[in-house]
Amino acid sequence: AQSVTQLGSHVSVSEGALVLLRCNYSSSVPPYLFWYVQYPNQGLQLLLKYTSAATLVKGINGFEAEFKKSETSFHLTKPSAHMSDAAEYFCAVRNYGGSQGNLIFGKGTKLSVKP
Amino acid sequence: NAGVTQTPKFQVLKTGQSMTLQCAQDMNHNSMYWYRQDPGMGLRLIYYSASEGTTDKGEVPNGYNVSRLNKREFSLRLESAAPSQTSVYFCASSNLNTEAFFGQGTRLTVV
Repeated sequence: AQSVTQLGSHVSVSEGALVLLRCNYSSSVPPYLFWYVQYPNQGLQLLLKYTSAATLVKGINGFEAEFKKSETSFHLTKPSAHMSDAAEYFCAVRNYGGSQGNLIFGKGTKLSVKP
Repeated sequence: NAGVTQTPKFQVLKTGQSMTLQCAQDMNHNSMYWYRQDPGMGLRLIYYSASEGTTDKGEVPNGYNVSRLNKREFSLRLESAAPSQTSVYFCASSNLNTEAFFGQGTRLTVV
């Protein structure tokens, strides 16, 4: 069975500082991994996805994530935070149990950006 | 290109009332899903439909029913609403090897 753990329910950074949001996964098969962003009162928008092609994945808005099989991690980073990055971020893994194919989500990390 | 459309966006129900949340997608996806989002809990799967004509329970199905009306539409019904069903509901769709696309959500309050 697949699962996802996001470390830290809240992360606060200063504008211009490095953003690091942590995600660890558990999967008995090669995983498909995703990061989504949710702005207040909106739906989820895909930031980036890992589908086994390349371990360093670049997404929208300057975000990237590195798949590390040895650490079972898929941490999200951005070199320089912007005020507009304040949102909630969700890591997810695709569930291959049965015929589901649904995404299994972590509990989310709320990112605050201080001026 | 509308993507995934959910209606309504907001709803207030009294305990015991019923309602149906509607969802439609225009991306020709086979699979559709209903999730609920609660603070600190992430998104939890209520029901899913892997293809037209099939539905299955997810992690938190109690108190809900679903209908996959056709390939485009997947509705979620609350037969007798309870305060514990106060939540934000998201519909999503995908094919097996694509990411999931989400609607804008329905904010439901049961009083």
